[in-house]
Amino acid sequence: ETGVTQTPRHLVMGMTNKKSLKCEQHLGHNAMYWYKQSAKKPLELMFVYNFKEQTENNSVPSRFSPECPNSSHLFLHLHTLQPEDSALYLCASSPTLGRAYNEQFFGPGTRLTVL
Amino acid sequence: GENVEQHPSTLSVQEGDSAVIKCTYSDSASNYFPWYKQELGKGPQLIIDIRSNVGEKKDQRIAVTLNKTAKHFSLHITETQPEDSAVYFCAAKAPGTGRRALTFGSGTRLQVQP
Repeated sequence: ETGVTQTPRHLVMGMTNKKSLKCEQHLGHNAMYWYKQSAKKPLELMFVYNFKEQTENNSVPSRFSPECPNSSHLFLHLHTLQPEDSALYLCASSPTLGRAYNEQFFGPGTRLTVL
Repeated sequence: GENVEQHPSTLSVQEGDSAVIKCTYSDSASNYFPWYKQELGKGPQLIIDIRSNVGEKKDQRIAVTLNKTAKHFSLHITETQPEDSAVYFCAAKAPGTGRRALTFGSGTRLQVQP
């Protein structure tokens, strides 16, 4: 596998379910990101991690819980979601936040539907 | 913080024509301006970027221009083809770990009519 991969690609869950999204990057990067993409807000930054440390939480509800065990893996744990949380969830990685020109590379996304 | 505005939100052109998408940014410290293309069912893909020490950059049929004084930058696609149909996002970034990694525009849906 190369680049940024995300699993699953599609997920349907009920409001009482608990599920997790997984992201893995094979680029040797140290920064990873979660974005939410919907018709209302095309690219909404959720969380940023740099060298496994969370550097930004963009006022995301606690029903979304990120985890970054190492620089290559990023998870988004989901519980008691609402139908309005249905969206495309994109993971991205970049060399590091401190770099002047910080090219970000995106995964294909997980299409989440909350019933 | 940084604010990026992108216009137009939708753009329809005939195959072979040129397409121009414009973005403005608010943070004068921003020095990195990438453009992403997102095709249906895929994540955004970096197609070209420009840094603040240059005014124009070309890569085959696409070019990006930057006007630091006016704080705007543009994507130009010449000889458009149906496969150019996608959503395009501009973004801007200021240096420093404490700044948000990238601030994105709201996107432009480009439709190239064959």
